[in-house]
Amino acid sequence: AQSVTQLGSHVSVSEGALVLLRCNYSSSVPPYLFWYVQYPNQGLQLLLKYTSAATLVKGINGFEAEFKKSETSFHLTKPSAHMSDAAEYFCAVSKRGATNKLIFGTGTLLAVQP
Amino acid sequence: GAGVSQSPSNKVTEKGKDVELRCDPISGHTALYWYRQSLGQGLEFLIYFQGNSAPDKSGLPSDRFSAERTGGSVSTLTIQRTQQEDSAVYLCASSPGQGLSSGANVLTFGAGSRLTVL
Repeated sequence: AQSVTQLGSHVSVSEGALVLLRCNYSSSVPPYLFWYVQYPNQGLQLLLKYTSAATLVKGINGFEAEFKKSETSFHLTKPSAHMSDAAEYFCAVSKRGATNKLIFGTGTLLAVQP
Repeated sequence: GAGVSQSPSNKVTEKGKDVELRCDPISGHTALYWYRQSLGQGLEFLIYFQGNSAPDKSGLPSDRFSAERTGGSVSTLTIQRTQQEDSAVYLCASSPGQGLSSGANVLTFGAGSRLTVL
């Protein structure tokens, strides 16, 4: 069975500081991995995805994530936080060639302090 | 349509009533998913449609929950005899369909239907 663990349900950073949101996955086969963002009262928006091309994936709004098989991790980073980055972030995994059903982590709420 | 459309955006109902939530996926998307988002439970998968068939219903929490899809397009999630624990945001998503192409497995989500059971 596939699963995703997000460490830290709440993360707070200062504006301009590095953002690091952690995600570890469990999968018996090479997975697809995703990060989604949810702004208040909105649906989920895709930030980036890993589908076995480059291990360093760049997404929208300056975010990127690196797939590390040896660590079973797919942490999300952004060099400099902006106030508009305050949102909830979800890591997700899906099984290749199957239904493309996403299994989500429990989410990390990012607060950005001025 | 340009995006995934869900209605109603908010629904308040009394315990024991039935509710129907509607999802209109992106035109041409053959795959459709329902998820439930509630406090303390995160995002739970409910059901997956490929066309009008539902090969994966493993996330439906009880037989009070059902869903159908017609014409390979609109889907309706029905909750019978609602309970207070059904209160949540119900999210619908669609994707182009199965396959190994990089575009096939990106889900686009609607804004959700917030259900409150009193």
